[in-house]
Amino acid sequence: QVQLVESGGGLVKPGGSLRLSCATSAFTFSDYYMSWVRQAPGKGLEWISYIRGDGGYTNYADSVKGRFTISRDNAKNSLYLQMNSLRAEDTAVYYCARFYSDSYGYLSAFDYWGQGTLVTVSS
Amino acid sequence: QSALTQPASVSGSPGQSITISCTGTSSDVGGYKYVSWYQQHPGRAPKLIIFEVSDRPSGVSNRFSGSKSGNTASLTISGLQTEDEADYYCNSYSGSRTPWVFGGGTKLTVL
Repeated sequence: QVQLVESGGGLVKPGGSLRLSCATSAFTFSDYYMSWVRQAPGKGLEWISYIRGDGGYTNYADSVKGRFTISRDNAKNSLYLQMNSLRAEDTAVYYCARFYSDSYGYLSAFDYWGQGTLVTVSS
Repeated sequence: QSALTQPASVSGSPGQSITISCTGTSSDVGGYKYVSWYQQHPGRAPKLIIFEVSDRPSGVSNRFSGSKSGNTASLTISGLQTEDEADYYCNSYSGSRTPWVFGGGTKLTVL
C-alpha cells in the first residue's frame, strides 16, 4: 500500500538549517503533486509548501517563503524540505502528504500522510 | 489564528450523531468544492475522511458525511463510537494568498 516515511528531524539552534526527507512507495511518485504540512506542539495543522509532479512548480506559505525550499527526486521517489534560518516558531511535527487530484486535474485533498518527523528549534 | 473557524470541542454519547462546523469565506469554503476533513488520533498522522465536500475515500465508514451551505462546511458523524474520539480538521482550497487553509481543529469527546 501507499507509504510515506519522513526522516531528518531533530534539535537545531535558531538560525540553523535542517533537511527533511520523505521516502515514498507503492505509487507512481512523479504523477503526483506532493506537499509538506506541519503541526506545532498542541496546535493545528498548517500547510507550508507543495511541488508539482515534475518539480517545475512550487508554492509556499508566507510563514516559510524565502527560508524553506521544497524539492523532489523522482528517480528516488523522494520529497525533500530544506529549512534554513530556522526560528523557534518553526518547532513542529512535519508531515509529507500526497495530493489527490480530481478528474479535471485540480488539486483536491491530502489523501496519504506520513507519520511525521519532529523538528525542535531551541538554543 | 486559523483561516477557517471550527468549534474547539464537541461531545456526544455512543450511538448519537454530532456535527462539526467549519466556517470560512467566499474566497475559500464558499467558493470551491475542495473542502476536506481529516481525523487525527493522538500521536498519529491525520487521515482523510471526506474530500470535495461530501465524498468518502474507499474504506471510510459511511457514518461520516459532509455537506456545505454558503461559507460553512459541516462534518456529521452518526452512530458515534468510542473510536471516533479524536481531533477533526477541515481544509479548503483558497483563492487568496495561501492556497490551502485549515481550520483550528475540533476535539471530539465520546462520553
